[in-house]
Amino acid sequence: DAGITQSPRHKVTETGTPVTLRCHQTENHRYMYWYRQDPGHGLRLIHYSYGVKDTDKGEVSDGYSVSRSKTEDFLLTLESATSSQTSVYFCAISSNPGQANRETQYFGPGTRLLVL
Amino acid sequence: AQKVTQAQTEISVVEKEDVTLDCVYETRDTTYYLFWYKQPPSGELVFLIRRNSFDEQNEISGRYSWNFQKSTSSFNFTITASQVVDSAVYFCALSEARGITKSGNTPLVFGKGTRLSVIA
Repeated sequence: DAGITQSPRHKVTETGTPVTLRCHQTENHRYMYWYRQDPGHGLRLIHYSYGVKDTDKGEVSDGYSVSRSKTEDFLLTLESATSSQTSVYFCAISSNPGQANRETQYFGPGTRLLVL
Repeated sequence: AQKVTQAQTEISVVEKEDVTLDCVYETRDTTYYLFWYKQPPSGELVFLIRRNSFDEQNEISGRYSWNFQKSTSSFNFTITASQVVDSAVYFCALSEARGITKSGNTPLVFGKGTRLSVIA
């Protein structure tokens, strides 16, 4: 158990509304990630963070922003939700970063988002 | 650029059969890491194994085994004597070493997954 929680676990929202998903970890991991999972696409990286206020874009970052003001929290914001952002969102942490032959990503339970 | 291909979209087997899930990867790096994750119907992602590019030894863990072959850029996963509880989506993923100027590895690149159904 990597001590990762995501909130909310389920959300239904309307097109055009802002949405913020929260990832919280209890073990002081430096590296955190947001992925989305869609049928036929597997998991794709949205944004990631190497530390507080240190973030970078992933493969599918358009329409998303992130913030990391504390080590334990990594927030994903959809500024104006669209139906194409209906997905399951997973947060992940890296254990043992810098120990390259031991580094492993562990995932939170996921957030299921439906944009109507 | 990194790429992971899982050509089998869905596989269905009868309980106690052996099944192999294929994974082919592409990378330009000489140092990289391969992973398998399991996603059961409950939805969580469960880490199964990590393999380093410099270690081509096959690994066995109970009914699970992994065959890593750099010559064919493959990292295949075999379940022996499958059980209904093995029914899940299985993902193969790849990460590269960042190099000495940055710590940590690159984020994971995933294949699209293989849905395994084991029928009683």
